[in-house]
Amino acid sequence: DTAVSQTPKYLVTQMGNDKSIKCEQNLGHDTMYWYKQDSKKFLKIMFSYNNKELIINETVPNRFSPKSPDKAHLNLHINSLELGDSAVYFCASSQERRGEAFFGQGTRLTVV
Amino acid sequence: AQSVTQLGSHVSVSEGALVLLRCNYSSSVPPYLFWYVQYPNQGLQLLLKYTSAATLVKGINGFEAEFKKSETSFHLTKPSAHMSDAAEYFCAVSESGGSYIPTFGRGTSLIVHP
Repeated sequence: DTAVSQTPKYLVTQMGNDKSIKCEQNLGHDTMYWYKQDSKKFLKIMFSYNNKELIINETVPNRFSPKSPDKAHLNLHINSLELGDSAVYFCASSQERRGEAFFGQGTRLTVV
Repeated sequence: AQSVTQLGSHVSVSEGALVLLRCNYSSSVPPYLFWYVQYPNQGLQLLLKYTSAATLVKGINGFEAEFKKSETSFHLTKPSAHMSDAAEYFCAVSESGGSYIPTFGRGTSLIVHP
C-alpha cells in the first residue's frame, strides 16, 4: 500500500489552463503539506494544513489553492497556469507537526 | 527563524570511501533535524532524525549523523560509500518558530565513483 499517493505523476498542459493535482495519505496523519521542487532541486513549502489551520507561504501566488475534502486528502488547484509553474510538486504528510514528513512520488508539471 | 545550510552542492567520493555531507542549521529554539534522500524521479525518503534524545543518530543504509549544538551542525556520515548511495541528500529543520513546518536545505548531490 502506498502511504502518500499523488495523481497524476506527469502533467503537461498549456499556459492559461486550470489544473488539479490530487493527494491522498493512508497513514492516518493529521498534517499535510505541498512542496514545490524547482529545476535546481530546491524544495519550497507552499502550504501546510491540518484540521484546524492552514498555513500559506506568503510567496505563493493566489492562483494556487489547497482543497481538503477530508483529513486524508489535500488537493492542489492551480488557476491560469504560467510557464514558471513548471516544476515537481510533492505532497507530504506527518503524524504531528514535529514528526518526520512522508512524501509522495511527486507530480512533474510542465506548462507549454 | 529556522533555516538550513548545506555546504557543497556536489560531493564526489570513491566507492568504499567515507561519506561526509555537511549541514548547519539556524534555529532560535531546540530544533528537530532530519536527513532525507531522494533517488532520481522519486519522492524523499527519511534517512534519520534528531529529536532531542541521543546526539548521535543512526539511520537506514548505514548512515548516521551527530547533533552538535555548539557548532549548530548535523553532518551526515557513512563509513564506506556504495554505488547505490548516489542520490540527492537533503537536510531539514523543524521548530516552533517555523510552526514546525520542515524547512529544507538546497540539497547535496552525492556522486560515487567505482
